[in-house]
Amino acid sequence: DTGVSQDPRHKITKRGQNVTFRCDPISEHNRLYWYRQTLGQGPEFLTYFQNEAQLEKSRLLSDRFSAERPKGSFSTLEIQRTEQGDSAMYLCASSFRRVNSPLHFGNGTRLTVT
Amino acid sequence: GDSVTQMEGPVTLSEEACLTINCTYTATGYPSLFWYVQYPGEGLQLLLKATKADDKGSNKGFEATYRKETTSFHLEKGSVQVSDSAVYFCALRFKQGSRLTFGEGTQLTVNP
Repeated sequence: DTGVSQDPRHKITKRGQNVTFRCDPISEHNRLYWYRQTLGQGPEFLTYFQNEAQLEKSRLLSDRFSAERPKGSFSTLEIQRTEQGDSAMYLCASSFRRVNSPLHFGNGTRLTVT
Repeated sequence: GDSVTQMEGPVTLSEEACLTINCTYTATGYPSLFWYVQYPGEGLQLLLKATKADDKGSNKGFEATYRKETTSFHLEKGSVQVSDSAVYFCALRFKQGSRLTFGEGTQLTVNP
């Protein structure tokens, strides 16, 4: 168990640019989640996958955000035309499908939009 | 909508002091309740959980009891250590696979 891995750890971009983050979940886990956390706040749910299927999306996930999980393994989160309000920590988590299986979180990708 | 409210922080205690971090929730129905902890420089980790009313979750000396009548899940520890310094998040979830709804977090600092 190498844990949930996220890349990059930090990303600085200029407003209007596109960015893409990657998450590698724990290999046996079939559920993968994306959250966003701003300073002083708890994580906010964005979306989750079961295997390759995206089963739920938050209203926070505007049209500029898209997430994929091809082949049910790693996942990518892309933000198009970034805005300063997108600056946050983006967290990925994975879990088994079993009832109340705990979520295992990665260390996150910190995005700064200048 | 569903929500979780935690006591305002930050909380600063001396080593061996008693800790209580309050958590209350608003939800339709009976969610599962969780405490997650985030140590400096690390990802969120599950600390403890309770899945039904009157259940008590416990781990590493921390405890929390699911109180349906007061819609609360307060985190307690009888004697804190410096190594307990972290941010603590209360959270709820209704069914497997659905979203975790987090509180805003409480920063705990324990001084030697």
